[in-house]
Amino acid sequence: DVKVTQSSRYLVKRTGEKVFLECVQDMDHENMFWYRQDPGLGLRLIYFSYDVKMKEKGDIPEGYSVSREKKERFSLILESASTNQTSMYLCASSLSAGGRVDTQYFGPGTRLTVL
Amino acid sequence: AQTVTQSQPEMSVQEAETVTLSCTYDTSESDYYLFWYKQPPSRQMILVIRQEAYKQQNATENRFSVNFQKAAKSFSLKISDSQLGDAAMYFCACAFGGTSYGKLTFGQGTILTVHP
Repeated sequence: DVKVTQSSRYLVKRTGEKVFLECVQDMDHENMFWYRQDPGLGLRLIYFSYDVKMKEKGDIPEGYSVSREKKERFSLILESASTNQTSMYLCASSLSAGGRVDTQYFGPGTRLTVL
Repeated sequence: AQTVTQSQPEMSVQEAETVTLSCTYDTSESDYYLFWYKQPPSRQMILVIRQEAYKQQNATENRFSVNFQKAAKSFSLKISDSQLGDAAMYFCACAFGGTSYGKLTFGQGTILTVHP
């Protein structure tokens, strides 16, 4: 089975702190994604990566950056956390390269609270 | 830009009955894929069913089936013989082929309650 893990289930940070959310997948997937989930808004794509060191902005990248130094690991970075970044963050991965659309597998999520 | 709309914030069903969750989408693309994901309380999001837009036949997975109306841009999920374990948040999502790498656009979600 595909396994996607995230470093923390719950995280509490203070405004202005630098925050790292880590995601690891164990199935040699090419693509990795970061979404945030908010009530009434569903999930929105922050950033995704289709290869090591390759990344693209999603729909709401402002205030976030990402890093993918190894194929299995994709990090989301909040450079200076703000209260409006309080949310559930979900990582996902999928196998495909190129034009094929494969199923995305999700991690358990990190509920981040910024005080 | 594509959009996905789930107009039912909450739905409920009696155990063993059938329920249908609605989803509409808007896209000008011809190569796209539709998904229903399930997020149980405090548990991981998992795929329920997927449909390739080029396939006319509606996808089915055991008790789960879809009604894909391409012209109407509608993609509803039917759950038959509902079970207590079906209680969850359900998300409809859309992805495109080509160079989009399968990134998903999600609807707002529908909370499904199953009554014993």
